[in-house]
Amino acid sequence: DGGITQSPKYLFRKEGQNVTLSCEQNLNHDAMYWYRQDPGQGLRLIYYSQIVNDFQKGDIAEGYSVSREKKESFPLTVTSAQKNPTAFYLCASSPFGLDRSTDTQYFGPGTRLTVL
Amino acid sequence: AQSVAQPEDQVNVAEGNPLTVKCTYSVSGNPYLFWYVQYPNRGLQFLLKYITGDNLVKGSYGFEAEFNKSQTSFHLKKPSALVSDSALYFCAVSRPGFQKLVFGTGTRLLVSP
Repeated sequence: DGGITQSPKYLFRKEGQNVTLSCEQNLNHDAMYWYRQDPGQGLRLIYYSQIVNDFQKGDIAEGYSVSREKKESFPLTVTSAQKNPTAFYLCASSPFGLDRSTDTQYFGPGTRLTVL
Repeated sequence: AQSVAQPEDQVNVAEGNPLTVKCTYSVSGNPYLFWYVQYPNRGLQFLLKYITGDNLVKGSYGFEAEFNKSQTSFHLKKPSALVSDSALYFCAVSRPGFQKLVFGTGTRLLVSP
């Protein structure tokens, strides 16, 4: 988990609210990723960013939004349009963006989001 | 398209015995294969990866994995299991020109004393 921080560790949301999950890395990595983990389903990619000011949708982007204004930061907003947001959210980073599919991704400790 | 299958939801092994966690993959072209471990309520930790070269890859904490192209498999192994190895293990695949990792559903390893 070293080098990547996620906050908060636990987050509770009321229905209809937007919430933002923080992800910061001090590894000087170009690429950053957001995954959602549900029991028995493994990890599913929400969004990823290969360079600052650019990001792409993953497999389950609906109801989520991101920004990448700084190299070290990649916040994820879970909007009210996400109908089933209760899950464990993981942020990751890898050294290089842009067609470096051999790169290892390094993960943060995760944020557990619960909708009340 | 690419995919990963981890056919066992759970593997049980006694401490000191060898362990194997299975992974098979499907990908167009050459695969890049990864193993990660996750402890409860924690992020994933990288164990090892296969990119090219020697089919036997050695990684962290005494783990190793063997790439078998004909069987499209990348099984994780350890000669002698520890109770502390009990965790959730994920296999993942990528390929040249494809930035994203595709993960399997995970296998829970339970090592009994």
